[in-house]
Amino acid sequence: AQRVTQPEKLLSVFKGAPVELKCNYSYSGSPELFWYVQYSRQRLQLLLRHISRESIKGFTADLNKGETSFHLKKPFAQEEDSAMYYCALSGRSGGSNYKLTFGKGTLLTVNP
Amino acid sequence: GAGVSQSPSNKVTEKGKDVELRCDPISGHTALYWYRQSLGQGLEFLIYFQGNSAPDKSGLPSDRFSAERTGGSVSTLTIQRTQQEDSAVYLCASSLGTRFTGELFFGEGSRLTVL
Repeated sequence: AQRVTQPEKLLSVFKGAPVELKCNYSYSGSPELFWYVQYSRQRLQLLLRHISRESIKGFTADLNKGETSFHLKKPFAQEEDSAMYYCALSGRSGGSNYKLTFGKGTLLTVNP
Repeated sequence: GAGVSQSPSNKVTEKGKDVELRCDPISGHTALYWYRQSLGQGLEFLIYFQGNSAPDKSGLPSDRFSAERTGGSVSTLTIQRTQQEDSAVYLCASSLGTRFTGELFFGEGSRLTVL
C-alpha cells in the first residue's frame, strides 16, 4: 500500500525565515516523490519532482530513503509562497506507474 | 482550450438527487484522472482512464459513483442519490499518458454541495 503523511495541517512563518514542510511516505518499492502547490484561486500544479533534483522558486526537496521522507525546504520564505502544498507519491502498481497518491496537504502562511 | 476544463464550477443539489460532472482534458492527453478534494482529507484518487478504458476504479467510494469517457476525450463523473458526505471539490486532471512523468494538469474543479 502507498501512503503519504504530511503531519502539519498548518504552518506559519515570517518572511525571510526558513521553512520546511514535512512529508513522510510508506511504500515497499522504489517510489517517485513530488510536491504540488495550489496558490489561492489557482489550479493545483506540479512544483518539483525528486528525480529532477531541481530547485524551483527557491524550494528544494531531498528524498531520504532511510527515513522515508521528502521534506520541502526553502531558506528564505516569501509572502508569495503562501499556498497549500501537497506531497505525492507514485509507485509501480500492476507493473507500471500511472497515478499519484497525495498527502492531506499543509497550508503555508508567510507573514510580512 | 489551453487547460483542463471542468463544468459546472459550482453545483448545489438536494440529498438524493443525481449529479453529473464533466471534464474536458487537454487535447492529446490520453490519461485522465478524477480526484476528490475535501477538508481534512486532502486529495483522494477516484478513477483513472487510459483512452476510453478505466483500468483503475479502485478509488470510487461506492456504487453510487460511476464515470465514463468517450472518444478518448471528455469524461463524465456521475454521482447517484447524492449524500451530504459527497460534498467536496471534484478535480479532474490529464496527462500525456505515453510515459508517466508525475505531472498531472488539473482543472479548476467542480464544487459540489449536497444539502
